[in-house]
Amino acid sequence: QKEVEQNSGPLSVPEGAIASLNCTYSDRGSQSFFWYRQYSGKSPELIMFIYSNGDKEDGRFTAQLNKASQYVSLLIRDSQPSDSATYLCAVNQGGKLIFGQGTELSVKP
Amino acid sequence: DTGVSQDPRHKITKRGQNVTFRCDPISEHNRLYWYRQTLGQGPEFLTYFQNEAQLEKSRLLSDRFSAERPKGSFSTLEIQRTEQGDSAMYLCASSLPRYNEQFFGPGTRLTVL
Repeated sequence: QKEVEQNSGPLSVPEGAIASLNCTYSDRGSQSFFWYRQYSGKSPELIMFIYSNGDKEDGRFTAQLNKASQYVSLLIRDSQPSDSATYLCAVNQGGKLIFGQGTELSVKP
Repeated sequence: DTGVSQDPRHKITKRGQNVTFRCDPISEHNRLYWYRQTLGQGPEFLTYFQNEAQLEKSRLLSDRFSAERPKGSFSTLEIQRTEQGDSAMYLCASSLPRYNEQFFGPGTRLTVL
């Protein structure tokens, strides 16, 4: 079992829809979780982080954390074509980040 | 620009040569990380520093890889006797320890011929 798992996609949504990206992790002791966006050929860009169970909202983005189920998700409301990228889930493990392989999101105009 | 910077941005080398990459973190960040990323995969942790101390090094990391952060500011990553399997994007990130939000530099793309 991989430490951090994401569906590789591609996930395709129409412009204006809600995109839902999911991530599961294996280390029950993990405390903080991060979502990064990565455009092709570029480095990862931090979107947001979460460390408490529940929801955390930042603009069009909402991160959701359920530690009992070892599950993190990212919702993108009013998706735009510029949101088309790979989204990386990362789990903090003793200071270092353990990444999933990323989910490719395509937002169609 | 006060973000993380990396140099060079691209490096092409022949198998067996040594290469060195440099990373300058965000100035107030005392943690610095190195990751490697290959196509279709998420970044893979290599090593990290808090100030000048190297706190962890990946068990998967070959002895050909070495990193330093001599004055607790910039860091260098050296790969000796490069192999074709070393071809990847090498990413540097920095953070403060409280929430460990890591901000990445633009990366150095290494191609080993």
